[in-house]
Amino acid sequence: DAGVIQSPRHEVTEMGQEVTLRCKPISGHDYLFWYRQTMMRGLELLIYFNNNVPIDDSGMPEDRFSAKMPNASFSTLKIQPSEPRDSAVYFCASRPARANYGYTFGSGTRLTVV
Amino acid sequence: AQSVTQLDSQVPVFEEAPVELRCNYSSSVSVYLFWYVQYPNQGLQLLLKYLSGSTLVKGINGFEAEFNKSQTSFHLRKPSVHISDTAEYFCAVSDLGETSGSRLTFGEGTQLTVNP
Repeated sequence: DAGVIQSPRHEVTEMGQEVTLRCKPISGHDYLFWYRQTMMRGLELLIYFNNNVPIDDSGMPEDRFSAKMPNASFSTLKIQPSEPRDSAVYFCASRPARANYGYTFGSGTRLTVV
Repeated sequence: AQSVTQLDSQVPVFEEAPVELRCNYSSSVSVYLFWYVQYPNQGLQLLLKYLSGSTLVKGINGFEAEFNKSQTSFHLRKPSVHISDTAEYFCAVSDLGETSGSRLTFGEGTQLTVNP
C-alpha cells in the first residue's frame, strides 16, 4: 500500500493565483480529512468527507477555500485567490469506517504564497 | 465535545535519558486515545493507541503510554531516548468510538529535542 499520496510536495505561487492541492487516500478508506498546519495555529481541521460527501466544512477559513471529492480515490483543496497568510503545510489524512484504526497522513504540501 | 491538552510545548532532554510527554483529555464519553509523531518535513505517523483493555500500551520505537481514566491522562514515556527521537509529538482523542461520526481532536503538540 502506497499510503496517502499528496501532490505537489511544494508549491510556491504569487498572491492572487489559484492553487490546487491534491490527495489520493488509501483504497478502502471511507473518511478523508484536510488539515492545515502553521506555527501560530498548529493543526487545524479544514474539512472532512465520508464516502465522498462533505460532512463538516466549518474549519474552512473563508470562501476562497473549497474542497471536492469527486470519487473515492481523489480529493482536491482549492484556494482562489491565494493570499500570503495561506502559507502553511496542508495535510490530507484518511481512515477506514472504524475509528479505532486512527488516521493515516500524507506527507503534506508546503504552500508558500508570495 | 472532547479536548486535549499537552502540558509541555517543548521538552529538551539529553540522549539516553528517560522522557515523559504529558497529555490530558476531557470527554463526557468513552474515548480512544492516540499518540502521533511528526519528524521534520514529514506527515504525522501513528506511534501507539489505546482502545480498551490493558492501560499500558506499547508502540513503535520503544515508546509506551499509560491510560489513566481517573486522571484523564495518557502520558507518553520512553526509558532511554535517542537523537533520532527528536520530533514533534501529538496526543489525540476520539470519542463516539466506532460510530461513523467520530473524528480526532489533536493537542497542540510537544517538541521533543534530544541533545547529545
